[in-house]
Amino acid sequence: DAGITQSPRHKVTETGTPVTLRCHQTENHRYMYWYRQDPGHGLRLIHYSYGVKDTDKGEVSDGYSVSRSKTEDFLLTLESATSSQTSVYFCAARGGFTGNTIYFGEGSWLTVV
Amino acid sequence: QKEVEQNSGPLSVPEGAIASLNCTYSDRVSQSFFWYRQYSGKSPELIMSIYSNGDKEDGRFTAQLNKASQYVSLLIRDSQPSDSATYLCAVGSNFGNEKLTFGTGTRLTIIP
Repeated sequence: DAGITQSPRHKVTETGTPVTLRCHQTENHRYMYWYRQDPGHGLRLIHYSYGVKDTDKGEVSDGYSVSRSKTEDFLLTLESATSSQTSVYFCAARGGFTGNTIYFGEGSWLTVV
Repeated sequence: QKEVEQNSGPLSVPEGAIASLNCTYSDRVSQSFFWYRQYSGKSPELIMSIYSNGDKEDGRFTAQLNKASQYVSLLIRDSQPSDSATYLCAVGSNFGNEKLTFGTGTRLTIIP
């Protein structure tokens, strides 16, 4: 357990609505990541952060934004949810007390109807 | 585009046998390599990391790395039903492994 929690764990939302997923960590991880996992595609990086207010895009960043105003929290926002964003979202983190290994949160299951 | 390739399986192995999982990667400058295990409906959990050519053993697990051939493998000895899961290969471009590229995973089933 690397002290990473995600909320909500499950959410159903309607197309066109904004959605925010929260990742909270307690181990002073410097780096934090948001991945999505879909059948046939594996885990794909959406955005990552290398410090407070320092973020960068991953390979599938379109339609997503992130914010990190403090070390503990990394927020992923879907500005206007679409059905193609139905997925499992994993937050991950590394650095700090756990060293350089990347650890994952429990996942957030998002369904856009 | 950096790619990590795995056979999706399913790979079926009798209980007590050796399970062999393979992974190839395209980025020659990759420096860090990881195997994660993922049970259905759960998050990936790290089981092995390897950075240098050769073998690294941890209990029933052995990771093998060959940078010249750009492949990394995972051997599971004395396979148990609890080893049934999807195994994800992940590759990082430097020792800081700031970003990992994942394969799509190999589904392993251990047959009692």
